[in-house]
Amino acid sequence: QSVLTQPPSASGTPGQRVTISCSGSSSNIGSDTVNWYQQLPGTAPKLLIYSNNQRPSGVPDRFSGSKSGTSASLAISGLQSEDEADYYCAAWDDSLNAHWVFGGGTKLTVL
Amino acid sequence: EVQLVESGGGLVQPGGSLRLSCAASGFTFSSYSMNWVRQAPGKGLEWVSYISSSSSTIYYADSVKGRFTISRDNAKNSLYLQMNSLRAEDTGVYYCARDRRQWLAIDYWGQGTLVTVSS
Repeated sequence: QSVLTQPPSASGTPGQRVTISCSGSSSNIGSDTVNWYQQLPGTAPKLLIYSNNQRPSGVPDRFSGSKSGTSASLAISGLQSEDEADYYCAAWDDSLNAHWVFGGGTKLTVL
Repeated sequence: EVQLVESGGGLVQPGGSLRLSCAASGFTFSSYSMNWVRQAPGKGLEWVSYISSSSSTIYYADSVKGRFTISRDNAKNSLYLQMNSLRAEDTGVYYCARDRRQWLAIDYWGQGTLVTVSS
């Protein structure tokens, strides 16, 4: 059972806009920023969004993030076949034993 | 270019031990906190342990506390994870991951090393 809650799957057709949600609590998303990772099949995760809505150099602006209260969202516009991957949200948890927490992951299928 | 290369994975019996290593290059290793994150086959990401740049602050997931020990050698640009009393549920790919505190994010990941705990 993951600390952050994501839908297990999402799908869209090429060119569509898709959103993936991530729900947490006051000790993680509610008090710290959210990051998003993309994991293509058989590869290591890659940082997609940090600090709720910032893109590292090289990440297309088709990817955007937002946060409100204890929830966050990742939006992918102009969906492409190469976007088919697993997506994970993450946040630092400030509870007694500080640690990173992750969502269970959302498998995005491009139809 | 930031590179993180893990090694030391393999097949081990339940109750056994294994030591993972991560060789870092392309950045000033001594300036960054580091993490180990694992992924069971077909499952999601699970954070395992964190160590600050000077080793002064260390955190562990409850699932590995008392069994795993994280350490680093800044002179050798290396991160380690000593894993004792291994269980079947410790099976998975173990990733070495750089912590960027200014962004409050894990920003780079190694390719991972597979640990299989089985008799």
